[in-house]
Amino acid sequence: EVQVVESGGGLVQPGRSLRLSCTGSGFTFGDYAMTWVRQAPGKGLQWVGFIGSKAVGGTTEYAASVKGRFTISRDDSKSIAYLQMNSLKTEDTAVYFCTRDGRADGRRGWFDPWGQGTLVTVSS
Amino acid sequence: DIQMTQSPSSLSASVGDRVTITCRTSQSINIYLNWYQQKAGKAPKLLIYGTYNLYSGVPSRFSGSRSGTDFTLTISSLQPEDLATYFCQQSYSTPPTFGQGTRLEIK
Repeated sequence: EVQVVESGGGLVQPGRSLRLSCTGSGFTFGDYAMTWVRQAPGKGLQWVGFIGSKAVGGTTEYAASVKGRFTISRDDSKSIAYLQMNSLKTEDTAVYFCTRDGRADGRRGWFDPWGQGTLVTVSS
Repeated sequence: DIQMTQSPSSLSASVGDRVTITCRTSQSINIYLNWYQQKAGKAPKLLIYGTYNLYSGVPSRFSGSRSGTDFTLTISSLQPEDLATYFCQQSYSTPPTFGQGTRLEIK
C-alpha cells in the first residue's frame, strides 16, 4: 500500500523551532517530489512547499508566508522528507499534511496519497 | 498567485441528486485542475486530476469538466458516503492554490 505518515507535531512557543517528518512506504520514495500542505483549524488548505526528486536536482520552493523560516529536505535512503520550521508564529498553527506529488519535479501534478496530518500548535 | 473561487461554499442535497460544484480560476490554467474530497477529521483524497481524469478507485459517479476558466465537479447520483468537503486545486503554476472548499451535506 502506498502511504505517507507524518510525525513530530506538538505545542511550541512562538519564536521556537520544530521539525516534522514524513515517512513514505509502498513506492520508490526518491522518484517523487514531496509536498507539505497545511490546514489551520476550520480553514482551507494552504500549500507550504515542496522538494523535487534528486533526479531533477532536489529543487525546493516555498510559500511566501514561510519562505526564509521553513526548510524542506529529504533523505531518500530512509524514505523521509522533513519540514524544518524556525521562528514559528501563532499563525503557523495548523495540521500539517505531507503528500506525494504526481510528478518528480513537483510541477503541474497532483497530490496523492496524503498522510493523516500532524497538528502544530504555536502558543505561549 | 492564481486565485481560485469555488462555489457554493456549502450545499445540501438528497441521496440520488445530481450535484455540481464549480471552481473559477483568475487566469487560464489549461487543464491543470485537480479535485479532492476531505471527510471530517481525515486527510484529503484525490478524486480527479487534470480536469477530467478519474483517479483509480474513485466511483464513476464523480466526473470533471471545463469551460474556459470554469471547472466543474459533478456527482451524478449523490450517495450518503459523499458527505464531505470538496476542494479544487490548480497545478498550472507555483504556488499551487486551492479553492476555499464546498461543504456537502446530505438532506
